[in-house]
Amino acid sequence: EPEVTQTPSHQVTQMGQEVILRCVPISNHLYFYWYRQILGQKVEFLVSFYNNEISEKSEIFDDQFSVERPDGSNFTLKIRSTKLEDSAMYFCASSATRFAYNEQFFGPGTRLTVL
Amino acid sequence: AQSVTQPDIHITVSEGASLELRCNYSYGATPYLFWYVQSPGQGLQLLLKYFSGDTLVQGIKGFEAEFKRSQSSFNLRKPSVHWSDAAEYFCAVAAQEYGNKLVFGAGTILRVKS
Repeated sequence: EPEVTQTPSHQVTQMGQEVILRCVPISNHLYFYWYRQILGQKVEFLVSFYNNEISEKSEIFDDQFSVERPDGSNFTLKIRSTKLEDSAMYFCASSATRFAYNEQFFGPGTRLTVL
Repeated sequence: AQSVTQPDIHITVSEGASLELRCNYSYGATPYLFWYVQSPGQGLQLLLKYFSGDTLVQGIKGFEAEFKRSQSSFNLRKPSVHWSDAAEYFCAVAAQEYGNKLVFGAGTILRVKS
């Protein structure tokens, strides 16, 4: 069964450093998402991406964040200068269409710890 | 804006007992509603979803949920819980008017005692 994969599973970084979180969505999916979950809080939407453009972003997704699909398989989230409050579990998801009733398939997450 | 409330942070049930996890949403029209489950070290897996039609929806692993518009609820049920059902359960809502992002509740951690 196809699945979304994410690497690394755990990333530890120093405050102010850049991190790149990687995701491989399901191969025939066209819509990609990043969500995050700060420990003890809700899973929150960050950004959606389609056709090499951001479709929608939340107010969390400020200039420190960027997304990219550098090749035909990977989808990345970059945090330019990490802050302590960026520590969270980051989930990548993909879906086949843009319709809100479509299932989004989630990866296992990357736990980011900023020291 | 949409919002989802899961009033129970933790629930403990005995193996073989029935289960109901509560979910209430806030949205002006009929939203699309989802239940996801997350086991330790795993991603979020879709259990079931509602977007139209029959208000009682069946999902995987023996779960079902009922959409009640009058109560703005979408509670998840299972008649007989198995130890492997221990996990965290998330209710989520989406609506095309708000793009196709999911808005999640805070989650309910289910513990199963033998």
